[in-house]
Amino acid sequence: AQRVTQPEKLLSVFKGAPVELKCNYSYSGSPELFWYVQYSRQRLQLLLRHISRESIKGFTADLNKGETSFHLKKPFAQEEDSAMYYCALLNQAGTALIFGKGTTLSVSS
Amino acid sequence: DAGVTQSPTHLIKTRGQQVTLRCSPKSGHDTVSWYQQALGQGPQFIFQYYEEEERQRGNFPDRFSGHQFPNYSSELNVNALLLGDSALYLCASSFLSGGAYNEQFFGPGTRLTVL
Repeated sequence: AQRVTQPEKLLSVFKGAPVELKCNYSYSGSPELFWYVQYSRQRLQLLLRHISRESIKGFTADLNKGETSFHLKKPFAQEEDSAMYYCALLNQAGTALIFGKGTTLSVSS
Repeated sequence: DAGVTQSPTHLIKTRGQQVTLRCSPKSGHDTVSWYQQALGQGPQFIFQYYEEEERQRGNFPDRFSGHQFPNYSSELNVNALLLGDSALYLCASSFLSGGAYNEQFFGPGTRLTVL
């Protein structure tokens, strides 16, 4: 079965603290994984894609096939990082995204 | 480019009615996917259209149908509405090139409330 699990509904941190948003997946073969972000009153947008190996807005995510995880990390959280974050997996057919339930990140000063 | 646009923004219907939602893809895109996002959940894939044909379908009943027009815009139709159909409906567009996956760009969504 293809599935994405985000165990935390809400993650609250203080500005400057490290952030780790957890994502675990179930997939046969080599997965293609993404993190999407939705800021308040904005549309869903791609934050990063594991194959591009980029760091976007200070966020990174490493694919760990042994632990079937793709956790999103940032060393120092900023207030503007407050948003809903979704982990997503490309389905076997390569056509659709399978999303987790999302984690709300709240960064306070 | 306004990106992906959807209409209407909000819609209220009663059980048993039918509804049509519309989507215009981002300029240069030829593929449209529809997702349903229930409250507190992530988006769930309904179906994808390419070259005016349904390319793939998620786990949704036949009450959900779609159409893609020659200008690549798309409609999502839902018949015999149920209370459980209340959700945010997202449209995403992309372009198909060979076998590679290209980024899907999402619209703002249509909020459907079924009473």
